[in-house]
Amino acid sequence: RKEVEQDPGPFNVPEGATVAFNCTYSNSASQSFFWYRQDCRKEPKLLMSVYSSGNEDGRFTAQLNRASQYISLLIRDSKLSDSATYLCVVTHSGTYKYIFGTGTRLKVLA
Amino acid sequence: NAGVMQNPRHLVRRRGQEARLRCSPMKGHSHVYWYRQLPEEGLKFMVYLQKENIIDESGMPKERFSAEFPKEGPSILRIQQVVRGDSAAYFCASSPSAPAEAFFGQGTRLTVV
Repeated sequence: RKEVEQDPGPFNVPEGATVAFNCTYSNSASQSFFWYRQDCRKEPKLLMSVYSSGNEDGRFTAQLNRASQYISLLIRDSKLSDSATYLCVVTHSGTYKYIFGTGTRLKVLA
Repeated sequence: NAGVMQNPRHLVRRRGQEARLRCSPMKGHSHVYWYRQLPEEGLKFMVYLQKENIIDESGMPKERFSAEFPKEGPSILRIQQVVRGDSAAYFCASSPSAPAEAFFGQGTRLTVV
């Protein structure tokens, strides 16, 4: 089983839609969680950290469910510019290396 | 505060040559991570270093690959005797501590011909 698993998509949604992604992780001792976005052939960029209490940044909301070992990302009022691959990241409990999921592709359609 | 700097951005090597990829972390960051990404695939962890120390190299191939992060200067990922399968994008990230947020450089695209 992979340490971090994501639905690869693609998720095709119209502009203005709300879309949610989930990501599951296998190591219950994982300590830190993040969402990154990656545009085609570019470097990953930090979108937001994910805290136990959940956090929101504008149209983006991230949640952590430790009991079920998953994190989620909700995007409201999707924009064309949100089209990208969204990467779930979990830190290894031992050495704190960052483990990436393979990403979920989002396409926002006009 | 400049971001993570990687050079070169593009590197072409013939089979059997050596490739040296450089990464200068953000100012104040002492933790460096190297990842490899093949086309249409996810980022694969290679190695995690702190100044002068390798913390985790579980993702590094046992042969031909090495990494260092000296006290002075950038982190170097070195690939000896490159083969076509080494062609990929290599990304470096840095963080001020672990497990804080990590920031990525623009990557080095290695092509082996």
